[in-house]
Amino acid sequence: NAGVMQNPRHLVRRRGQEARLRCSPMKGHSHVYWYRQLPEEGLKFMVYLQKENIIDESGMPKERFSAEFPKEGPSILRIQQVVRGDSAAYFCASTGQANTEAFFGQGTRLTVV
Amino acid sequence: TQLLEQSPQFLSIQEGENLTVYCNSSSVFSSLQWYRQEPGEGPVLLVTVVTGGEVKKLKRLTFQFGDARKDSSLHITAAQPGDTGLYLCAGVKNTGNQFYFGTGTSLTVIP
Repeated sequence: NAGVMQNPRHLVRRRGQEARLRCSPMKGHSHVYWYRQLPEEGLKFMVYLQKENIIDESGMPKERFSAEFPKEGPSILRIQQVVRGDSAAYFCASTGQANTEAFFGQGTRLTVV
Repeated sequence: TQLLEQSPQFLSIQEGENLTVYCNSSSVFSSLQWYRQEPGEGPVLLVTVVTGGEVKKLKRLTFQFGDARKDSSLHITAAQPGDTGLYLCAGVKNTGNQFYFGTGTSLTVIP
C-alpha cells in the first residue's frame, strides 16, 4: 500500500533550465494538490487537480509554472526558466473521492543555482 | 485571503509546559484535520474531526472541533522535545470539495 510518491527528492537546476516534479498519488486517489514551502514557513497552495482537469490554479504564478494530472501516470509540476526565487520544497498531497483526508509525499527540494 | 488562520505562528516553550494552538475561520467545515511536519519531511496526519464539539485524544494531544465547525484547537500536555515541529490544520469546506490548509504553527520545545 504505497503512499504518495514524489520524485526526485532533491533537484538542482541552473537558472534558465526547466524543472519537472513528479507526484504519484496513493492508490485509488484521484485528487492531487501541489504546495510550495519556504524554510520556516507554512504551506502555500499552488494548484488542485483531478484526473485530466485543473480544478483550482489560483495559487500558481501566471508565468513559467504549469501542472497536469493525466489519465495515466503521475501528476507533473513544471517550472520553466527557473530563477533563484523558485528554490523551495514542493509538496504534493492526494485525496480520494470522499476528500476527507490528505496524504502527503516527502517533497521535492528544488535548488536553483 | 487565508481561509484558515492559525495562532500563534511561532511558539517556544520549555519541556513539561502545556500549550494550545488555535485554528480559526469564518467558514464552516465538514471536517478538519491536524498535521505535524518535521524538518525535511512531508506533513503527517494526526487526527480528523468531523462533528461539531468533537474532542479526540491522542496520548498527550487533545483536539477539539468547535461547535459551529468553524474552528479547532490542539492542546498538548507536558510538551516534550519530540513534539517540536510545524503543526498545520486543514479542512474541507461545507460547500465544495477542496482542501484548505492553515498558516501553520511552528513549535519548539526546549529540553
